[in-house]
Amino acid sequence: ETGVTQTPRHLVMGMTNKKSLKCEQHLGHNAMYWYKQSAKKPLELMFVYNFKEQTENNSVPSRFSPECPNSSHLFLHLHTLQPEDSALYLCASSQGLAGGNRGAQYFGPGTRLLVL
Amino acid sequence: EDKVVQSPLSLVVHEGDTVTLNCSYEVTNFRSLLWYKQEKKAPTFLFMLTSSGIEKKSGRLSSILDKKELSSILNITATQTGDSAIYLCAVNYGGSQGNLIFGKGTKLSVKP
Repeated sequence: ETGVTQTPRHLVMGMTNKKSLKCEQHLGHNAMYWYKQSAKKPLELMFVYNFKEQTENNSVPSRFSPECPNSSHLFLHLHTLQPEDSALYLCASSQGLAGGNRGAQYFGPGTRLLVL
Repeated sequence: EDKVVQSPLSLVVHEGDTVTLNCSYEVTNFRSLLWYKQEKKAPTFLFMLTSSGIEKKSGRLSSILDKKELSSILNITATQTGDSAIYLCAVNYGGSQGNLIFGKGTKLSVKP
């Protein structure tokens, strides 16, 4: 499979559950991102990893925990979420961060998360 | 506060029409402006603009950046129903690591 893939595509979880979202990129990129897209709000950047190192955490609550074991894989571990965390979670990757390359981000299809 | 504003928020046109979508920004240390098309799920990269006044074209789509006016437009000529989507504008800005901030998008609906 090519491009950026995400699993699962849909997820329903209770507030006490623990689940993980997975992202894999097959583009040979070095940077990976998690975004949250809520209804009627702009895309919000959550985390950035460059060469497996976290470079940004945009004040994301600790109930979201990212993990990047290598440049091709990115996880988002979820625990004790709230109903307001229901959203589309998008993963993206880019060749790098500097010199404008960061702009050419390629997105995965997203995971639609519903927290009950 | 850094921000990206898109207008209009939604637009309904008929096939064959030409549309112009707007994006304005207020950021520090501007690096580049990007346009994405979002259909059902994932945004698809369209253009990245870094230099003022230089038009980027891809088929019926074109875009241009005006750094003096801190804005960009995305033009779509001879629209087709397949152009129906949300068009997102994003600005890359900031220090060495940069940052990317998105506008809310323009929802374009093209009627047959």
